[in-house]
Amino acid sequence: SYVLTQPPSVSVAPGKTAIITCAGNNVGGKSVHWYRQRPGQAPVLVMYDDTDRPSGIPDRFSGSNSGNTATLTISRVEAGDEADYSCQVWDANTNLRVFGGGTKLTVL
Amino acid sequence: QLLLQESGPGLLRPSETLSLTCTVSGGSISSPSFYWGWIRQSPGKGLEWIGSVSYSGTTYYNPSLKSRLSIPMDTSKNLFFLNLTSVTAADTAMYYCARHEPSLDWFDPWGQGTLVTVSS
Repeated sequence: SYVLTQPPSVSVAPGKTAIITCAGNNVGGKSVHWYRQRPGQAPVLVMYDDTDRPSGIPDRFSGSNSGNTATLTISRVEAGDEADYSCQVWDANTNLRVFGGGTKLTVL
Repeated sequence: QLLLQESGPGLLRPSETLSLTCTVSGGSISSPSFYWGWIRQSPGKGLEWIGSVSYSGTTYYNPSLKSRLSIPMDTSKNLFFLNLTSVTAADTAMYYCARHEPSLDWFDPWGQGTLVTVSS
């Protein structure tokens, strides 16, 4: 089955840039979506179709996807960005919706 | 504003059937543009897609759960459901319902989730 691999944790100082990766076999050929999950809350879509931001998500959030790695970049990180971030794709071969294991973003 | 809310029993015994309801407000589950899905998250683990149902009632299930799973809907009440039979401790998780966009395949928005514990 298709697997998405994320680093368990990423730490960044306020005002700096956080980069969260999502690795998968030829993930660049798929549409990748990203979710933010603050402690005790439900996931929220923060990026869809690799690079598109839903309304209400600030332009500090950006995405890219190429080859075997998709990336969520958060610029000018704020304390409120601290959360778990998960990537997700649809695997056409198995018709499965697949999530990465999640990355805990810590703002130092 | 589209809102989803899960409801159902929080505690089950092994071998029982898990039945959850997702109440949708602010939009119709009969809309042809969207599906409606269930996702779960075991304690300390990542998200797992359980399955989805289309506006016409067509279902799409995670193969690992398919033999125990059904996701019906009641369009007259704007509800959809999750039924999972023969539960075990491995089914202990937070269960979320969400709107499922089927062409690009993202989930948004999500309900707040309901915790289901399976224990004897």
